[in-house]
Amino acid sequence: DAGVTQSPTHLIKTRGQHVTLRCSPISGHKSVSWYQQVLGQGPQFIFQYYEKEERGRGNFPDRFSARQFPNYSSELNVNALLLGDSALYLCASSLDGANLEQYFGPGTRLTVT
Amino acid sequence: AQKVTQAQTEISVVEKEDVTLDCVYETRDTTYYLFWYKQPPSGELVFLIRRNSFDEQNEISGRYSWNFQKSTSSFNFTITASQVVDSAVYFCALSDGGSNYKLTFGKGTLLTVNP
Repeated sequence: DAGVTQSPTHLIKTRGQHVTLRCSPISGHKSVSWYQQVLGQGPQFIFQYYEKEERGRGNFPDRFSARQFPNYSSELNVNALLLGDSALYLCASSLDGANLEQYFGPGTRLTVT
Repeated sequence: AQKVTQAQTEISVVEKEDVTLDCVYETRDTTYYLFWYKQPPSGELVFLIRRNSFDEQNEISGRYSWNFQKSTSSFNFTITASQVVDSAVYFCALSDGGSNYKLTFGKGTLLTVNP
C-alpha cells in the first residue's frame, strides 16, 4: 500500500508570493494533519482536518490556511510568504480523528528567498 | 500547556555501544499518549512507539527499549548494541486528552553512530 504522498518535493519561492502544498493520505485514512519543521527544531502543529472539517489549529497566522477534499487529500496554502516560512512541511495521516497513529509523508522543502 | 524536553541535542557513540535518549514531558491531563519518532536524513518521520498514560510497563522491541516513569514524567529510549543505520534525529512527542488532535514534539536528539 502506498504511504502518505506529498507534492512537490522541493519548492523555491520569493517573499510575498503564495504557495500551495499538497498531500494524499494513506488509503482509508480520513484525517490529515500539517506540521512545519524549521531546521534544527521539532515539527510544529499547524492544522488537523478530519472528515473535511478543521478540527484543530496551531499557533500560526492567518496567512496559513488549509482544506480537505472529499477524497481526503489536503492542501496547505501560505500567502504573503516570509523568509521565516522556509521549512520542511510535513503531512501526516491517520485513520480517524483520534490521531493515535499518525503516519508522516516525506515532506515538502520550501525555501523562501 | 503541554511541553516535551529533550535535553540532549547531539549524541555520538561508537557502533555496538548502548545509548539512551532522554525525554521529559509536561501535561496537566491524566490521559495522554507518548511517542517516539525517528527522522533519518531523508526527512520522513518514522513511527517507533506509542504508550498511553495508564500503561507504565516497559517495552522491548528487538534492540529498542522504552522506560516510562510517570513519577518523573520521563519516557526514555534505549538502543542496545547501536548500529550505523541507527544514525538519525529522534523525536519524543506528546498528545494529551485536551488536544489529542495534535502532537507536541521535543526539539530532537541527533544520534550519530560511528563505525
